[in-house]
Amino acid sequence: AQRVTQPEKLLSVFKGAPVELKCNYSYSGSPELFWYVQYSRQRLQLLLRHISRESIKGFTADLNKGETSFHLKKPFAQEEDSAMYYCALAFTGGGNKLTFGTGTQLKVEL
Amino acid sequence: SAVISQKPSRDICQRGTSLTIQCQVDSQVTMMFWYRQQPGQSLTLIATANQGSEATYESGFVIDKFPISRPNLTFSTLTVSNMSPEDSSIYLCSVEDQTGGDEQFFGPGTRLTVL
Repeated sequence: AQRVTQPEKLLSVFKGAPVELKCNYSYSGSPELFWYVQYSRQRLQLLLRHISRESIKGFTADLNKGETSFHLKKPFAQEEDSAMYYCALAFTGGGNKLTFGTGTQLKVEL
Repeated sequence: SAVISQKPSRDICQRGTSLTIQCQVDSQVTMMFWYRQQPGQSLTLIATANQGSEATYESGFVIDKFPISRPNLTFSTLTVSNMSPEDSSIYLCSVEDQTGGDEQFFGPGTRLTVL
């Protein structure tokens, strides 16, 4: 069965410091990976997906099939980046059913 | 992007009772999903709500406990039956917007507390 692991429950960084939120996955098929973000008092929303290979709000994530990882990175953290971040894997069987990691709370301190 | 509303936003219920959660989307969508997020845990997919047929449940979830209706392409309900305190969770509805590259949009969630 598929599995997504986010080893850090909480990550605290200072404003302007680099950020890396870790995500590892296990899946026998061809993976489709996503990062979702939930800001305080807002609903869960898509941040980025690996197939689009784009940078959103300064965040990037590269799929590394050899290491089965999809870490989220940003070179300079901003206060507004403070949020809960979930890594998710889409598995087949009708639509993009998602398996989520346990999430990492990012706290950017001044 | 699809806009999703859920009712109720929160509820406190007694054990042994049932609660029906509604999910309304502002556009027709093919795929609708129901997730559960237990306290301190991640989101877990309960089932895919299929329009015109029975929902498809994931391992560990059964229709008797979580009956789902999907009468049309914009609406679905999830019932949490014969509730126990272990059912205290946030329940989220999501839809897949196939016009937007298969992105999933999530509702605001229903926070359920079972006493």
